[in-house]
Amino acid sequence: SQTIHQWPATLVQPVGSPLSLECTVEGTSNPNLYWYRQAAGRGLQLLFYSVGIGQISSEVPQNLSASRPQDRQFILSSKKLLLSDSGFYLCAWKGGPGEQFFGPGTRLTVL
Amino acid sequence: GQQVMQIPQYQHVQEGEDFTTYCNSSTTLSNIQWYKQRPGGHPVFLIQLVKSGEVKKQKRLTFQFGEAKKNSSLHITATQTTDVGTYFCAGSAVKTSYDKVIFGPGTSLSVIP
Repeated sequence: SQTIHQWPATLVQPVGSPLSLECTVEGTSNPNLYWYRQAAGRGLQLLFYSVGIGQISSEVPQNLSASRPQDRQFILSSKKLLLSDSGFYLCAWKGGPGEQFFGPGTRLTVL
Repeated sequence: GQQVMQIPQYQHVQEGEDFTTYCNSSTTLSNIQWYKQRPGGHPVFLIQLVKSGEVKKQKRLTFQFGEAKKNSSLHITATQTTDVGTYFCAGSAVKTSYDKVIFGPGTSLSVIP
């Protein structure tokens, strides 16, 4: 069966520091992968999606970037974090039609 | 751009009461999905509706897709404490290769034992 991993689970970083969040998927090949951000008490905002290795599309302009170095690995990065980057970051992959499976998420606090 | 709205934002019910959340899209949807997120957890896929007027049931949960494919509802009969969480609808306006969906802001359900 398919599983999706994210790490770290929680992270506290100072403003201006770099960021690297990792997502890996097991049990499927060439998945569509997504990064979402969820602000406290809010819905999910799509940040990036990828349909294959090295193929990244951004939904909103921001100081974040994403990379997909391997088929089942999706990385979210920033060179300099802002306070507004705090939130719950979720990685997801596309299962059946319209169906998305989410990882456990990373709670990022920028101080 | 496409917007998805949900009401109410919060709902507190006594255990055993019914609960309904409504989802409205600014544009016609090709499909709609519902997710549940428990406190501190991640969203979990519940169901997808595709056809106009479609109704699907999962035990005490009833999902409906409007005739115009611009709105949807989730109804829970006789709520239990295990129903606590935030319910999100998510819709796709057009078919894309990456299945882009727009999530609503969610309805947070509290069940008082």
